[in-house]
Amino acid sequence: LAKTTQPISMDSYEGQEVNITCSHNNIATNDYITWYQQFPSQGPRFIIQGYKTKVTNEVASLFIPADRKSSTLSLPRVSLSDTAVYYCLVGESSGTYKYIFGTGTRLKVLA
Amino acid sequence: DTGVSQDPRHKITKRGQNVTFRCDPISEHNRLYWYRQTLGQGPEFLTYFQNEAQLEKSRLLSDRFSAERPKGSFSTLEIQRTEQGDSAMYLCASSSPGAGASSYEQYFGPGTRLTVT
Repeated sequence: LAKTTQPISMDSYEGQEVNITCSHNNIATNDYITWYQQFPSQGPRFIIQGYKTKVTNEVASLFIPADRKSSTLSLPRVSLSDTAVYYCLVGESSGTYKYIFGTGTRLKVLA
Repeated sequence: DTGVSQDPRHKITKRGQNVTFRCDPISEHNRLYWYRQTLGQGPEFLTYFQNEAQLEKSRLLSDRFSAERPKGSFSTLEIQRTEQGDSAMYLCASSSPGAGASSYEQYFGPGTRLTVT
């Protein structure tokens, strides 16, 4: 069972753009890629979801290459309140179907 | 719509006791998921339901774990003969119908933190 991997941590300054990449080699053909934000002692909060190419909403963009084996979450102009752990979530079909969270990226935004 | 709710928020139990957690999904969502998250790790998939049918179970869900969703609305997760290794946050999520078995916009509850002493 392949892992869905992300960088362990990233630091950024307020107002900068942050890009977090997730590698998901075993993504299922029909599955979407979803990104979540999680603060301590809270459940993950939905950020954005996509299937291919580029998706943008009011808080983030998601870039997915043609082979769909990776994805990049882009947070424009981060603020201190964006300090959190960010996870990608994909489905994976290897015998049975299950949902696999990435290893998580701890983002720290500095003033 | 009040989102996904979970009860209790915290549970402390002694090793060997049974515990049961409840999850109430967003009302129009027909899929419900359970995950377990230990400190410093990402959530791990346990099982999911579509309506009342349990469609997948992770190998993490040992014989001591059982989940039900009897009427396709709320769900319960029971852990029998708890062990210290069961200490974790148990997260519930729900989603609206999507194509196939996609991870279509799962919305999470606040979790139940279990501590086994």
